[in-house]
Amino acid sequence: QVQLQESGPGLVEPSGTLSLTCAVSGGSVTSSRWWSWVRQPPGKGLEWIGEIHHTGNTNYNPSLKSRVTMSVDKSNNQISLKLNSLTAADTAVYYCVALVPSQSASYYRFDPWGQGTLVTVSS
Amino acid sequence: SYELTQPPSVSVSPGQTARITCSGDALPKKYAYWYQQKSGQAPVLVIYEDSKRPSGIPERFSGSSSGTMATLTISGAQVEDEADYYCYSTDSSGTHRIFGGGTKLTVL
Repeated sequence: QVQLQESGPGLVEPSGTLSLTCAVSGGSVTSSRWWSWVRQPPGKGLEWIGEIHHTGNTNYNPSLKSRVTMSVDKSNNQISLKLNSLTAADTAVYYCVALVPSQSASYYRFDPWGQGTLVTVSS
Repeated sequence: SYELTQPPSVSVSPGQTARITCSGDALPKKYAYWYQQKSGQAPVLVIYEDSKRPSGIPERFSGSSSGTMATLTISGAQVEDEADYYCYSTDSSGTHRIFGGGTKLTVL
């Protein structure tokens, strides 16, 4: 069973850049899965940020696309997220999540999820 | 932009059936998925592709979809089922992934 572990700074300054890493264990980042990031502001719902395949293909939420960069590190079996031009509205728990394809590979489900890491944007 | 709409809250007594709905214009053509999130924990998949149940999920959890509405049903809800439940699907192009706003289930 794949396990995901997020890591990164818990506090970032406004206008700065958030950088998070997700370590993948129990499976390879070069599998058929896509790898995604989902965030959840305190007390609010889930928001899909985007996803990346080991081939380098990406798919970002249009509302965040101009500020997001995702990458895959095959040698270390991990993925990363960068989000720039931060404001207080970016304060959230950030989850690393595997996207598992259906048998037809036409549909994907988020499973499993990492435990999440809280990032606070504040000076 | 595309949206999935859920009721903010649902409340049932233990042993009753809880139904949580999710409406969206693309649901006739796209699968719905359901996630359970208990306080302070990461979400867990409970239903995928409208009605399939992952291994380890109790049989009291079931899903269905008809037209523009998907429904998560918890038959004989238990106190430990208290949680926030989120539906997930994609827009009609299949490109963008969307979560519903979440439904807080209270069992008491």
